[in-house]
Amino acid sequence: EDQVTQSPEALRLQEGESSSLNCSYTVSGLRGLFWYRQDPGKGPEFLFTLYSAGEEKEKERLKATLTKKESFLHITAPKPEDSATYLCAVQADRGSTLGRLYFGRGTQLTVWP
Amino acid sequence: NAGVMQNPRHLVRRRGQEARLRCSPMKGHSHVYWYRQLPEEGLKFMVYLQKENIIDESGMPKERFSAEFPKEGPSILRIQQVVRGDSAAYFCASSPPNKAQYFGPGTRLTVL
Repeated sequence: EDQVTQSPEALRLQEGESSSLNCSYTVSGLRGLFWYRQDPGKGPEFLFTLYSAGEEKEKERLKATLTKKESFLHITAPKPEDSATYLCAVQADRGSTLGRLYFGRGTQLTVWP
Repeated sequence: NAGVMQNPRHLVRRRGQEARLRCSPMKGHSHVYWYRQLPEEGLKFMVYLQKENIIDESGMPKERFSAEFPKEGPSILRIQQVVRGDSAAYFCASSPPNKAQYFGPGTRLTVL
């Protein structure tokens, strides 16, 4: 069964304190791994897609990496506006379920000044 | 380029009524997906559609739920005879073929 587990569930950081969020997954053939940001009362906002182990993507203070079993979202020198829930999702490389995303429960990040 | 649009943003229904949720995909996107987010739970896939075709509905309850994406107009998620357990946020996403999915703001359904 395809599964996505994110840790920690919640993370509190002081402004400027770098850290990493983890997403471990089990899927029969990975088509892609996706990171989203979700603010309260809003829809998920797309951040990154990673397709193969060793791949890295960066955007401002965020950097996503991928191995064969997990992905990390590194946050460098975070600011209060980075506070949100970060969601990880995988897409399997199988014909019948090609489109669907399997989501983890997310990591709720709070950055305080 | 407008993003994915959903309406209504908030919908209140009494038990036994019908709920209709609408989704207009981003311009140029031919694939539409519906997800449900229950309180304290993650996003769960419901259905995947292309124009006039249901590609994968394996995440959608067999009874009371239906979805369509007609040749013209928005995609519709329809819930008949709603029950309190249907209260949730329903998100629509769209994508071009084989690309990332972009989400709308969601419809928050409350069943009284």
